[in-house]
Amino acid sequence: QVQLQESGPGLVNPSQTLSLTCTVSGGSISSGSYYWSWIRQPAGKGLEWIGRIYTSGSSNYNPSLKSRLTISLDTSKNQFSLKLTSVTAADTAVYYCARDRNYYDGQRGIGVHYFDYWGQGTLVTVSS
Amino acid sequence: SYVLTQPPSVSVAPGQTARITCGGNNIGSKSVHWYQQKPGQAPVLVVYDDSDRPSGIPERFSGSNSGNTATLTISRVEAGDEADYYCQVWDSSSVHPVVFGGGTKLTVL
Repeated sequence: QVQLQESGPGLVNPSQTLSLTCTVSGGSISSGSYYWSWIRQPAGKGLEWIGRIYTSGSSNYNPSLKSRLTISLDTSKNQFSLKLTSVTAADTAVYYCARDRNYYDGQRGIGVHYFDYWGQGTLVTVSS
Repeated sequence: SYVLTQPPSVSVAPGQTARITCGGNNIGSKSVHWYQQKPGQAPVLVVYDDSDRPSGIPERFSGSNSGNTATLTISRVEAGDEADYYCQVWDSSSVHPVVFGGGTKLTVL
């Protein structure tokens, strides 16, 4: 059973960098055709996809965050990480890491991408 | 970018059937996934690829997808099904490929 666990500071000063790590257990982060994603949820609001990284190290980011965002992979520690620079109060949210199961359905000619395992989430508050 | 529209709320009595819709332009041509989120908890995948259920999800949860609407159906609703439900698709033509619906609050009366 794959498990994910987020860790990092719960309070970040405005204009500083938000850094979070997701530790994966129950399976190797570098095996299988999986992406590893970050998703966030402001209080009382819906889910927002932040970005993802593949086992090869290639990544995709939400265009609205791309200029401030870096997602990286540390296969030796079975972890992946998020760095978001120049944060404001609008970045206050519960941050989730998740495994992104993806494959190509040749019969329908479409990609299939969904999040099958999630961390419990960690609240990050941006405030001085 | 691609938009998914869900009703903000759905109410149903215990034992009845709840249907939660997810609207999108030609969504029937995409693969739709559904997540259940209870207060203070992480989302849980309940239906993937339109109508498949992950291991451990009751058969009461089912999905369908056609035309411009995907539907999550919960049969014989229980009090424990009260939660927020989100649909999600992958839009390969968009620079923002992961799209979530706004969520639907299911209330069990």
